[in-house]
Amino acid sequence: QVQLVESGGGVVQPGASLRLSCAASGFTFGYYAVHWVRQAPGKGLEWLGLASHDGANKHYADSVRGRFTISRDNSKNTLYLHMDSLRPEDTAVYYCARNSDYVNDYWGQGTLVIVSA
Amino acid sequence: QPVLTQSSSASASLGSSVKLTCTLSSGHSEYSIAWQRQQPGKAPRHVMRIESTGRYYRGSGIPDRFSGSTSGADRYLTISNVQSEDEADYYCETWDRKSLHVIFGGGTKVTVL
Repeated sequence: QVQLVESGGGVVQPGASLRLSCAASGFTFGYYAVHWVRQAPGKGLEWLGLASHDGANKHYADSVRGRFTISRDNSKNTLYLHMDSLRPEDTAVYYCARNSDYVNDYWGQGTLVIVSA
Repeated sequence: QPVLTQSSSASASLGSSVKLTCTLSSGHSEYSIAWQRQQPGKAPRHVMRIESTGRYYRGSGIPDRFSGSTSGADRYLTISNVQSEDEADYYCETWDRKSLHVIFGGGTKVTVL
């Protein structure tokens, strides 16, 4: 079955960097675009960005462009989110989601990032 | 880019029906949308995609108690025979083909009475 498992979350200080991973299984990873979405405590879903199926195209939300970088390694069936200059407002659960026909059809369980001094 | 508007809350009695609305902003009434369900403390789960024609496609494992429909810029998710596990936040999302961004609505919290 399709599975996406995020990892790499934790508690970091403001200004730090962090890399999240999203390990995929149960489908041909290289055929699909994959997205990152986050959810701050008590808030709604916020789209962060995507990597196309081959990683050649990436698009970012205005709120994170220039600080966050998405990459993928199709040989490892893994998507990454590298986050720089983290701020307290980046505190959230971070989800990866497989995208099929412009719909996020499978989601990971999420990984929590807390940015606090 | 499109804006998706959802009412903040809805309620339904066990075994009844509830209809949720997601409204596309002016000039975007031809867009398809998807509904995502998020039960308390869990990750979102894809419920269905709804096209401007009214055709809808349920996600994997979603029971036929869930149906979709369209009227102009409105996209509806109807839950029939509401169960306790339907108590959740429901988000609509769409893909903006111009900016190549995903947009989410603010979410509707469904309470089962």
